[in-house]
Amino acid sequence: GIQVEQSPPDLILQEGANSTLRCNFSDSVNNLQWFHQNPWGQLINLFYIPSGTKQNGRLSATTVATERYSLLYISSSQTTDSGVYFCAVENLRYSGGGADGLTFGKGTHLIIQP
Amino acid sequence: NAGVTQTPKFQVLKTGQSMTLQCAQDMNHNSMYWYRQDPGMGLRLIYYSASEGTTDKGEVPNGYNVSRLNKREFSLRLESAAPSQTSVYFCASSEPRVPLGPQHFGDGTRLSIL
Repeated sequence: GIQVEQSPPDLILQEGANSTLRCNFSDSVNNLQWFHQNPWGQLINLFYIPSGTKQNGRLSATTVATERYSLLYISSSQTTDSGVYFCAVENLRYSGGGADGLTFGKGTHLIIQP
Repeated sequence: NAGVTQTPKFQVLKTGQSMTLQCAQDMNHNSMYWYRQDPGMGLRLIYYSASEGTTDKGEVPNGYNVSRLNKREFSLRLESAAPSQTSVYFCASSEPRVPLGPQHFGDGTRLSIL
C-alpha cells in the first residue's frame, strides 16, 4: 500500500515561533487531510487539501501532488497548538474506488513551551 | 451538534471477554470507519462501511467484527479480547463522495485488555 512519512517526528518550540511540518507519500494521492490530536486525544480535522494551498488563521497547508509532499505551516505558535499532527492520504489505486478509509503517517509530536 | 459519539470512553476487559464499542453520527454521512491507534503510531483502519448495509475489511481486521446497524450507527465487536487489542479506538464518518470527504472523528474509546 501507499507509504506516508512525516517529519520531524518531534519538535519543541517556544511560544511565538513558526514551524513547518512535512508529509511525504510514496504514490499519487486523491485525498490528503491534516489532523491535530490534542493532549486529550481528540482528533480535529485541520485541512482537506489534495492539492494547492489553504489557510485557516495561523495555520496554512500546501500540497504539491506532482512531487508527492504536503507542508503544514504554523505561525506564531501558542501553547494550545501542542499535540500530535497527522497527515493522512487516500490513493484510489489501492482502494476499491472510494470510501475505503485513510492511510495515516506516524505523526509529528509538537510541544510549544511558554 | 454532537458529531460522532463513541461509547464507552474507557473500558478494562479480561482476556477472553467480549464487548461491543458503539459509534453514532448525526451528520447524515454514508461512510463510517473504525481505526485503532497504538502508542507512537498513526491510526490504522480496522473496518469501514461505505454505506448502510455494506462493510469491508481494512488494514487490521483480525479479531474484530462490525455491524452497520443503520445509517447513523456502526459498532465494533471484540469476540474474545486479547492483550494485543489494547489500544485507543476511533470511529469516524465522512461525506459520501470519491475521493473521501473530510473525516470527522469521535473522541475515542480507551480499551485495556488484561
